[in-house]
Amino acid sequence: AQKITQTQPGMFVQEKEAVTLDCTYDTSDPSYGLFWYKQPSSGEMIFLIYQGSYDQQNATEGRYSLNFQKARKSANLVISASQLGDSAMYFCAMRRPLFGNEKLTFGTGTRLTIIP
Amino acid sequence: NAGVTQTPKFRILKIGQSMTLQCTQDMNHNYMYWYRQDPGMGLKLIYYSVGAGITDKGEVPNGYNVSRSTTEDFPLRLELAAPSQTSVYFCASTGRGNTGELFFGEGSRLTVL
Repeated sequence: AQKITQTQPGMFVQEKEAVTLDCTYDTSDPSYGLFWYKQPSSGEMIFLIYQGSYDQQNATEGRYSLNFQKARKSANLVISASQLGDSAMYFCAMRRPLFGNEKLTFGTGTRLTIIP
Repeated sequence: NAGVTQTPKFRILKIGQSMTLQCTQDMNHNYMYWYRQDPGMGLKLIYYSVGAGITDKGEVPNGYNVSRSTTEDFPLRLELAAPSQTSVYFCASTGRGNTGELFFGEGSRLTVL
């Protein structure tokens, strides 16, 4: 069964510092997609970034980048120059296989708190 | 552009009551999903649909039913509500695109007392 593990229940980071949120996954399928979502205190789910298993380069979206290490089965989210508005829950998710199955499996999340 | 719309946003039920959570999307997406999120936890898939007339069970389907008569609508029915169904429910949809990212509704907070 596919599994997503986020080992950091909570993190506190000083404003303007970079932060790395860990995510490891378990699948034997060579074809999969990895996602990060942000959930602020208001509750909505906001898509941040996507990485396909066949993508050669790490995905980037503005201040977000995904550190994809395929051999280690890790897909860590890096937020550069953190801001107070980055305080939220962050979820890693996986879709397997890449095509033909659009279900996402979510990790348990990491609560990030940015300290002024 | 409304995206994914869920109603109601909040509801309190008594044990044994039934209700339907409504979900509609205006993006012509084939795929629709219902997830539940318990406090401090990630999202667990209840039911999903790959198109009108087709539904299938996810990880935690017991106590729920769905239907998909149109592309736009994917209601979730709770029969005989139990305290274990107290949760936040999210409806989501996606099209067959480059990434298949899910577009979420704002969530429905259900409390069963």
